[in-house]
Amino acid sequence: KNEVEQSPQNLTAQEGEFITINCSYSVGISALHWLQQHPGGGIVSLFMLSSGKKKHGRLIATINIQEKHSSLHITASHPRDSAVYICAVRFSSNQFYFGTGTSLTVIP
Amino acid sequence: DGGITQSPKYLFRKEGQNVTLSCEQNLNHDAMYWYRQDPGQGLRLIYYSQIVNDFQKGDIAEGYSVSREKKESFPLTVTSAQKNPTAFYLCASSIAYRALVGMNTEAFFGQGTRLTVV
Repeated sequence: KNEVEQSPQNLTAQEGEFITINCSYSVGISALHWLQQHPGGGIVSLFMLSSGKKKHGRLIATINIQEKHSSLHITASHPRDSAVYICAVRFSSNQFYFGTGTSLTVIP
Repeated sequence: DGGITQSPKYLFRKEGQNVTLSCEQNLNHDAMYWYRQDPGQGLRLIYYSQIVNDFQKGDIAEGYSVSREKKESFPLTVTSAQKNPTAFYLCASSIAYRALVGMNTEAFFGQGTRLTVV
C-alpha cells in the first residue's frame, strides 16, 4: 500500500493547455512537496506546502488538508515543462513518502 | 545561500567497487535522508539520520552504509554487496520534528546522483 497516490501516471498535452496533476495521501501530514525531475534525473523542488496555495510563475500548487489532497497546476504549458512531477509528503514521524510520479509530455 | 548539495550528478563505477555519494547541507538541519529511485518506481528510503552520530535503516538498507559524523554531511556508501546498485540516488534534509513546538515544515532536496555500475 502506497501512502501517497498520484494521478495520472502519464499525461500528454498540447502546448498551451492547462494541466492538473493530483496527489492524495492517507494520513495527516506536516508538509507536502512537489518536485520536478527532468530527463537525466536532476530533481528540482517546486513547492513546499502545509496549507493553502502557492504560485510561482506558471505553476500553482494547492493543498486541502481536510481532504488530504493536493494539486499541481501548470498554466499555458510549454514543451520545456515536459518532466516527471513527484509528490512527496512528510508525516509527523519526519519520514518522507513519495508518489511514483506523473510523466508529463507537452507537444508543440 | 543555504542549500543541499549532492555530488557528482553522474557517477560511473566498475562492478565490485565500493562507491561513496556525497550529500552536504548548510541549512543547520538535524535530519538527513537517502533515497533510491528505480525506473518506473517511486523513491524508497535507504537510510535516515535524525541527529549527528545516529542513523537508522530505511526500507532498502541492505548493501548500503552511511555515517553522520558531522551535522552538515551524510555520505552514502554503495558497497559491493548491493546487488543492483545502478539507480538514481536522492538526498534530503529537514528540520527535525519536535512535538513540543509543533509542526515544522522546512525540508530541502538535493539534485540527485545517477550511479551507473558497469
